[in-house]
Amino acid sequence: GAGVSQSPSNKVTEKGKDVELRCDPISGHTALYWYRQSLGQGLEFLIYFQGNSAPDKSGLPSDRFSAERTGGSVSTLTIQRTQQEDSAVYLCASSLPPWGTTGELFFGEGSRLTVL
Amino acid sequence: TQLLEQSPQFLSIQEGENLTVYCNSSSVFSSLQWYRQEPGEGPVLLVTVVTGGEVKKLKRLTFQFGDARKDSSLHITAAQPGDTGLYLCAGGSQGNLIFGKGTKLSVKP
Repeated sequence: GAGVSQSPSNKVTEKGKDVELRCDPISGHTALYWYRQSLGQGLEFLIYFQGNSAPDKSGLPSDRFSAERTGGSVSTLTIQRTQQEDSAVYLCASSLPPWGTTGELFFGEGSRLTVL
Repeated sequence: TQLLEQSPQFLSIQEGENLTVYCNSSSVFSSLQWYRQEPGEGPVLLVTVVTGGEVKKLKRLTFQFGDARKDSSLHITAAQPGDTGLYLCAGGSQGNLIFGKGTKLSVKP
């Protein structure tokens, strides 16, 4: 596909379960970002990958959150032992040059997570 | 910690009116971006401003970057219902791009 693809689009889980969210960036994009957006709010930065460099994990809210990017392409965000406050839309974005060189971020449509 | 504050948080106007929304910070940014987000979709880039004092126009939208590169504004002339959405400013450095909480604009016909 031409754009950033995220799956699942919707996920309902029970408190305490683990969830995995997947992001397929635009082919060739070296930078990949994960953000979290609560209802009607702005975007909260979670993690940033750039090429083979160590990821910037400074936005991850707790050690229950982790992310990896395999082969410089697909990324998976994992939330362990989910809590109700984890309910949000998780957005993935990719860019060709990273932000620092004023690259445009292309966003997926997000994965809506609901923790019951 | 770099923070971006946007105002107003909500704005409801009639079609044809003009409006301005603001993005402010105590930090200096090398550049700022403005995105628009519609319900159920990801944000889409409108503009990037790089030079202090820079003004960019995109049809009825005018973007300005403050001289000190700490703030930016978005002015919409003769707003239309299609302008309805969440307007987000974003800035940062070293790859980490942070967003403000956004201005939710509603333009009524």
